[in-house]
Amino acid sequence: AQKVTQAQTEISVVEKEDVTLDCVYETRDTTYYLFWYKQPPSGELVFLIRRNSFDEQNEISGRYSWNFQKSTSSFNFTITASQVVDSAVYFCALSGWETGANSKLTFGKGITLSVRP
Amino acid sequence: EAGVVQSPRYKIIEKKQPVAFWCNPISGHNTLYWYRQNLGQGPELLIRYENEEAVDDSQLPKDRFSAERLKGVDSTLKIQPAELGDSAVYLCASSFITYEQYFGPGTRLTVT
Repeated sequence: AQKVTQAQTEISVVEKEDVTLDCVYETRDTTYYLFWYKQPPSGELVFLIRRNSFDEQNEISGRYSWNFQKSTSSFNFTITASQVVDSAVYFCALSGWETGANSKLTFGKGITLSVRP
Repeated sequence: EAGVVQSPRYKIIEKKQPVAFWCNPISGHNTLYWYRQNLGQGPELLIRYENEEAVDDSQLPKDRFSAERLKGVDSTLKIQPAELGDSAVYLCASSFITYEQYFGPGTRLTVT
């Protein structure tokens, strides 16, 4: 069975602070994908990143960076110099490997990030 | 490129009434998903289609829920009869080949 744990439920920071959102996962698959999605108040889930289990390189995209550590089964997400527009619920998700098809996503419970001006 | 379209955005019904949700995926996306998101939780998969075939419906409560995907494009999810516990946001997503699923805005269902 697959499981995603986002232990932080709510985080509040002041604008321009850095913030890290934690994600720990469990899977028996040797090949899998990890994702982060953002859900703003409008409700639509916005895809942020996909990482496969073969690639442990960290990734940076603008103010966003992701740290994947297979040894600790973690896939943490850092926002540098946070902005009010970053306020949203952030979900970490996991999918297993299915040959020739897309697999279902198992989501964590989400982290509500509030960035105050 | 247009995103995933869902309608209605909001629906309020009394328990025991039927309700239907509609989804139009991104053009060319062969895989379509229906998720249910309860308040304060992450989405949970209800059903997944590959073209017009339902390839994973293990989480769909089949006694009251049904879904169809005509011609492998649009999809409809139905609940009959609705129960109070069905109040949630119903999300539709689509993807093509890759594992990146793109989500619609969802339908917020309130059962009174």
